[in-house]
Formats: sequence, structure tokens, C-alpha cells
Amino acid sequence: GAVVSQHPSRVICKSGTSVKIECRSLDFQATTMFWYRQFPKQSLMLMATSNEGSKATYEQGVEKDKFLINHASLTLSTLTVTSAHPEDSSFYICSAAKDRGGEADTQYFGPGTRLTVL
Amino acid sequence: TQLLEQSPQFLSIQEGENLTVYCNSSSVFSSLQWYRQEPGEGPVLLVTVVTGGEVKKLKRLTFQFGDARKDSSLHITAAQPGDTGLYLCAGNYYGQNFVFGPGTRLSVLP
Repeated sequence: GAVVSQHPSRVICKSGTSVKIECRSLDFQATTMFWYRQFPKQSLMLMATSNEGSKATYEQGVEKDKFLINHASLTLSTLTVTSAHPEDSSFYICSAAKDRGGEADTQYFGPGTRLTVL
Repeated sequence: TQLLEQSPQFLSIQEGENLTVYCNSSSVFSSLQWYRQEPGEGPVLLVTVVTGGEVKKLKRLTFQFGDARKDSSLHITAAQPGDTGLYLCAGNYYGQNFVFGPGTRLSVLP
């Protein structure tokens, strides 16, 4: 199988605080991990792509200083939402690919993290 | 920027009916995936198609990849309430990032 976990599954925080979300590939090594954001009743929007040991590549319009991504090992990537505001409330989903996430490379998704900023 | 469209956007049917949802792009996919997502959970991969004209079956689900690799369809036979969810197609374009479609929200009523 190819199992991806996320922690926490739900988090509620106060405005101005920072929140860290972990994404782990449990039974395979993930060369590439992706972070998505999903608003209610909408599709997934790619935020950034991270390769182990290198800086993440952010999609246009995503603030890299606000959404810090660290991919320190082949099984773990973290997303830190800094100085969170209510508009950051969303469902954050990570995925992991065994290769570079290119052609015909399947992404395996985590269960998501529901962030609510009060 | 590639645009990936899905239709219909919403679909509500009775248990036992058949349905087809579509995924279309103006660009050629190198591969395409279909996912199903339930509320509060991450997408679950259903199938990956790579070859133009390819047909794959997964129990009551039949996936077809267009000959030109610009479109795909998902057909569900005898839908059940457990099929309810958001169906997402996602495509790899040559040398570019993975792109998700807007999804088809399916509701199967008992």
C-alpha cells in the first residue's frame, strides 16, 4: 500500500498564533510531497511542492513566508501556518509521490487537517 | 495554464440508476487520475489511466481515457448510496504540475 498520514486531523487556534501540520508517508519514501488547500465545496488548490532536502516551490499567490514548508526527510513534510488569521481557516491536505510527481506518478493523499482560526 | 473541466458539477440520482461524469481539457494529459473524496477526508485514488483509449473497470465503475488523451469519463452502474461523494479528476501535463478539476458532487439517494 501507500499510506499517508496527517497530524493533527483538526486544530483550532487563536488569531496570531502559528500552527504546524505534519504529513508522513508511512510505508514508502516520498521524494516529493505536495500541500493543497480546499475550501468548502470546492476542489483542491495546490499551494506548494516540496522535494526532500530542498526549498519548496510555491504556487503563484501563495505567501512563502506565511506558509512555511519543511521536507526534512523522505517520510516527513511539515506545513507551518504563521500568524494565522481567520481567512486561513481551511482544509489542508498533503500528498506524497514516490518519484518527482511527474508523468504517470501517482499522488497518495493524507486524510487532511481542518484548521479553524478564531 | 491548463484548464481542466468536469461535468456535471452536481448530480443527484436514485439508488440503482446509472450515471456518467466527464473530465475534459484542451491539452493532452500524460496521465490522468480519478479520485473520490468524502466530506472531511482526503481524496482516495480510484484509478490511473495512461494510454489513449484505455478502459479500466473497478467493480461497478468503468473509466475511459479518450483516444486523444484530452478527456476521460467515469461511468457508475447501479449506483448505491455509498457512491455518494466528490469525484475529482486530476491530470499530469507533460513537464508540468498535477492539476485538479473542480469535481462532480454526486448524491445517491436510497
